[in-house]
Amino acid sequence: KQEVTQIPAALSVPEGENLVLNCSFTDSAIYNLQWFRQDPGKGLTSLLLIQSSQREQTSGRLNASLDKSSGRSTLYIAASQPGDSATYLCALAGSARQLTFGSGTQLTVLP
Amino acid sequence: NAGVTQTPKFRVLKTGQSMTLLCAQDMNHEYMYWYRQDPGMGLRLIHYSVGEGTTAKGEVPDGYNVSRLKKQNFLLGLESAAPSQTSVYFCASSYGSGAEAFFGQGTRLTVV
Repeated sequence: KQEVTQIPAALSVPEGENLVLNCSFTDSAIYNLQWFRQDPGKGLTSLLLIQSSQREQTSGRLNASLDKSSGRSTLYIAASQPGDSATYLCALAGSARQLTFGSGTQLTVLP
Repeated sequence: NAGVTQTPKFRVLKTGQSMTLLCAQDMNHEYMYWYRQDPGMGLRLIHYSVGEGTTAKGEVPDGYNVSRLKKQNFLLGLESAAPSQTSVYFCASSYGSGAEAFFGQGTRLTVV
């Protein structure tokens, strides 16, 4: 059974700092890995999708990497802003066509 | 663009009552999913569908039933609600198993 772990569970940084969120998984047989953002009381917004054959994806200030051999993905946020404050979730699509989620990292960017 | 729409957004049920949550997507996606989100548990898959007329069990299917009579709709039913089903329910859809998943805004259900 796929297990997904996100560390740290919570992170607080000053505005302008570059930061890295971590996601680790136990089964490397995946279709893709997706990073989501969730604001309090809201749904999930897709940020980046990395296919199994890819190593990284970039969108604006966000960069996500995937290393299947080590079972890790990172989400890099450059020049963080207070508007980036949210919970960030990683999810893996495995052979059973299901997304398995981590518990998320709650990010607070202080002005 | 509507994307994935869930109704209702909030609901309070008494123990033993039944209800149906509706998920509608306008992206012609084949795959649809129902998740529940609980504090400290993350999102867990309840049931999913890989096409019209198909359904399959996820990680936590007990106490729920689903139907996919139309490609654009995926219904989640609770036949006899229990307090343990108090949760936030999310519907999602995707084009295929390797495709990006899109989520609805969630339904907050409280069973008293």
